[in-house]
Formats: sequence, structure tokens, C-alpha cells
Amino acid sequence: AQSVTQPDIHITVSEGASLELRCNYSYGATPYLFWYVQSPGQGLQLLLKYFSGDTLVQGIKGFEAEFKRSQSSFNLRKPSVHWSDAAEYFCAVGPYSGGGADGLTFGKGTHLIIQP
Amino acid sequence: DAGVIQSPRHEVTEMGQEVTLRCKPISGHNSLFWYRQTMMRGLELLIYFNNNVPIDDSGMPEDRFSAKMPNASFSTLKIQPSEPRDSAVYFCASSLSGTRGETQYFGPGTRLLVL
Repeated sequence: AQSVTQPDIHITVSEGASLELRCNYSYGATPYLFWYVQSPGQGLQLLLKYFSGDTLVQGIKGFEAEFKRSQSSFNLRKPSVHWSDAAEYFCAVGPYSGGGADGLTFGKGTHLIIQP
Repeated sequence: DAGVIQSPRHEVTEMGQEVTLRCKPISGHNSLFWYRQTMMRGLELLIYFNNNVPIDDSGMPEDRFSAKMPNASFSTLKIQPSEPRDSAVYFCASSLSGTRGETQYFGPGTRLLVL
């Protein structure tokens, strides 16, 4: 069965500093990988996703992520964080199937705190 | 675009009572997903539908949980009887055509507290 590990439960970053959130996955085939963000009391919003092509993926709000097959990783990065980036971030993997919709398997999330 | 709509946003009930959560997917979306979020287990897929048909309900925790999608614009998740361990945030999500890797759009969630 597929799984997603986000090793950092909490991360604190100063405003303006760079950010990297880690994500490792376990999956038996080529995965579909996603990063979602959840602000307090809100639903999840997609930041970016990867399933083929260029391994460096650009997303919304200045985020990017790099897929590294050899390391089974899909880390999220941002060169300069803003106070509004404080939120919960979830990495997710979509299972392989011959077709049709599939649910996502999520990591436990990383809580990002921004220091002024 | 109204997005995925869930109701109620908050629900407080007593153990043993029936709870019904409602979801209206984005118009034109053919796939619908129910997830549950708890501190201990994180986000878990409960069930998903494609073209109103349940495809995989293996995530439904037990027989007390049931889900229906009578038409393309409405789904319910019912818990009967409810228990304190069912306290969680329940999310509904929808996607356009059920294609692999497609973006899922999440609703704001229903925060359920069972006393």
C-alpha cells in the first residue's frame, strides 16, 4: 500500500527566509504527487502537482516542488516566505490505476510557523 | 464558482444520535470524495463516487457509517449511531472527470463533535 511521510511536524521560519518542506512517499509505480495547503478553519487548496515531465514543478503563491525518483521524495520549496504562508501543508500521493478517479493518501502534515 | 459546499459547518451531538453531513460538489464534476481528518490519523479517504456510483468504500470505518449520492449534485455521509471517537473534521472533495491525477477541490469541512 502507498504511504506518505512528512518528517517535520512543525517548522518555524523567519519572514523572508527560504523554506523547504520534506515529503517522502512509498509507492509501487509512477506516483501522482500533490501538495495542498490548509489555512485554519479552511478546506485544502492545491498548491501544485506532478505526474510526468519536468521534475521541477511550479505552483501557486510562489511555491515549487522537485520530484526525485531515486530518493522517493517530493519536497516543497519557496525562496522567500510571507507571514500569510503560515498554515498546514500536506503532501499526498494518488494511487496508480488503469483509469478512473482515485482517492489520495495524505501525509500527516507540516505546520508552518512564520516568525516576524 | 461556488466551490464545494458542505453543511453544516459545525455539528455538536450526543453519543447515540444520528448525524447527517451534506455535500454539494462543483457543478459539472463527476467524482466525489469523502475524507475524515483527525489529529491521530490525519486525513483519511472514507469513500469515493464516480458518476454517482460508489467505487471504493474500503475506508469507511464500520457499518455505522454510510454514504449516498442520489444525484450528481448531492451526497450525504451518515453516522448512526454516533460515538465520541467519530469526532473529527469531515471533508468533501470533487473532481471533474475522474481522470487519474486530477485535481480534487475540497470543501470547507464539517467539524463534528460527539459528546
